[in-house]
Amino acid sequence: GQQVQQSPASLVLQEGENAELQCNLSTSLNSMQWFYQRPGGSLVSLFYNPSGTKHSGRLTSTTVIKERRSSLHISSSQTTDSGTYLCALHSGGSNAKLTFGKGTKLSVKS
Amino acid sequence: NAGVIQTPRHKVTGKGQEATLWCEPISGHSAVFWYRQTIVQGLEFLTYFRNQAPIDDSGMPKERFSAQMPNQSHSTLKIQSTQPQDSAVYLCASSHSYEQYFGPGTRLTVL
Repeated sequence: GQQVQQSPASLVLQEGENAELQCNLSTSLNSMQWFYQRPGGSLVSLFYNPSGTKHSGRLTSTTVIKERRSSLHISSSQTTDSGTYLCALHSGGSNAKLTFGKGTKLSVKS
Repeated sequence: NAGVIQTPRHKVTGKGQEATLWCEPISGHSAVFWYRQTIVQGLEFLTYFRNQAPIDDSGMPKERFSAQMPNQSHSTLKIQSTQPQDSAVYLCASSHSYEQYFGPGTRLTVL
C-alpha cells in the first residue's frame, strides 16, 4: 500500500478561510518535507519538519512522530495560495530519498 | 544562488531515440537526486548520488535508464530507446543535509 496518504485530495476555499492539510504514514516517520507546486511549476520547499511545530507567515507545519502524521495549516487563504501541496517522507539519515504523497489540490476563490 | 539548474526545459524525442537530461546542483550541495513526475504515478524517486558516488538507484528502470555524476557540478540522466511511457517531467534536486531543493524540471515528450 501507499506509504504516504494525503488528504483531502482537493479543497476549494473562499478567500480568507483557513485550510488544514493532512499527511498520514503507514511506516515509521523520520522527518517530513512540505512542498508547493503551481500547475506546470517547480516544487517550492515550504518546510522541512522532523518534529514539532514550525511557522512561516500564514503557514504552520506540525509533525507528530508517535502518531505518524504531519499537517499543514494555511490561515487566511489568498487566491495566490492556489496550487498543489505535497508532503514527502524522508527515508532516514541525511541526503536520503523522498517518498511523496499524491498531493492536495487547493483552489482559493475570491 | 541560481538554484538547481536543469536543461533542457523541454525535450521532444521520437520513439526509440536517446534522451540526455542535465542537472547542475546548488554549489556546495553534496547530494543530487532524480525524480520523475507523471499525472498517473505522481512523484517517484529514481536515483541519487552523494559526493558524486551512486548511493541508491532502486527507482530506476533497470533497462534503458542510467545516471552519472562525473563531477560535483553536474549530473546526467540518460534514457536509451525512449518509449511513450517515458514521457514525464524529470526533476533534479540537491541537498547539503536534509532539506531538498528542486530544479524546474525537464518535460520529456516521446512521440
